[in-house]
Amino acid sequence: AQSVTQPDIHITVSEGASLELRCNYSYGATPYLFWYVQSPGQGLQLLLKYFSGDTLVQGIKGFEAEFKRSQSSFNLRKPSVHWSDAAEYFCAVGASSGTYKYIFGTGTRLKVLA
Amino acid sequence: DTGVSQNPRHKITKRGQNVTFRCDPISEHNRLYWYRQTLGQGPEFLTYFQNEAQLEKSRLLSDRFSAERPKGSFSTLEIQRTEQGDSAMYLCASSSETGGFSPLHFGNGTRLTVT
Repeated sequence: AQSVTQPDIHITVSEGASLELRCNYSYGATPYLFWYVQSPGQGLQLLLKYFSGDTLVQGIKGFEAEFKRSQSSFNLRKPSVHWSDAAEYFCAVGASSGTYKYIFGTGTRLKVLA
Repeated sequence: DTGVSQNPRHKITKRGQNVTFRCDPISEHNRLYWYRQTLGQGPEFLTYFQNEAQLEKSRLLSDRFSAERPKGSFSTLEIQRTEQGDSAMYLCASSSETGGFSPLHFGNGTRLTVT
């Protein structure tokens, strides 16, 4: 069965520092991969997506992610974190099993220190 | 694009009562999804529609849960005989059918508290 693992439950970084959030997936074929961000009490907002082509994808708010097939990973990065980036981040995979179901990881909560 | 709308935002109910939530997707989207999210967890898939057809339902979903999308537009999620374990955020999302997995657009959710 398809699955998504986000190994880090919590991450704390200082404002201005770089950030990397890890995501590993389990899926046989080339997956459709997504990163979403969720602020408290809100729904999820799409940051970026990977379907095919260039393995480094750019998203909104200065985020980028790199697809590495050999490592089954799709890590999210940002060179300089802002206090407003504090939120919960979810990695998701589109898992076609005859229907179009999306599977989410358990999330990484980001705290930003001033 | 007015976004995905969910109502109500909050619902408090007593154990054993029935509740119904509504989701209005983005108008041109023909796929509609329901997810459940508990504290500290990621969204858990419940069910999904393409137009009015319910194409998949999670095996984790008990018979107390039912969802409909009668005209392929808005959808309702009903929980019968609520239990305390049903307390969660219920998220609705929609996407367009573009030959694959297009990104999900989420509503702000309905938070259910069962007392």
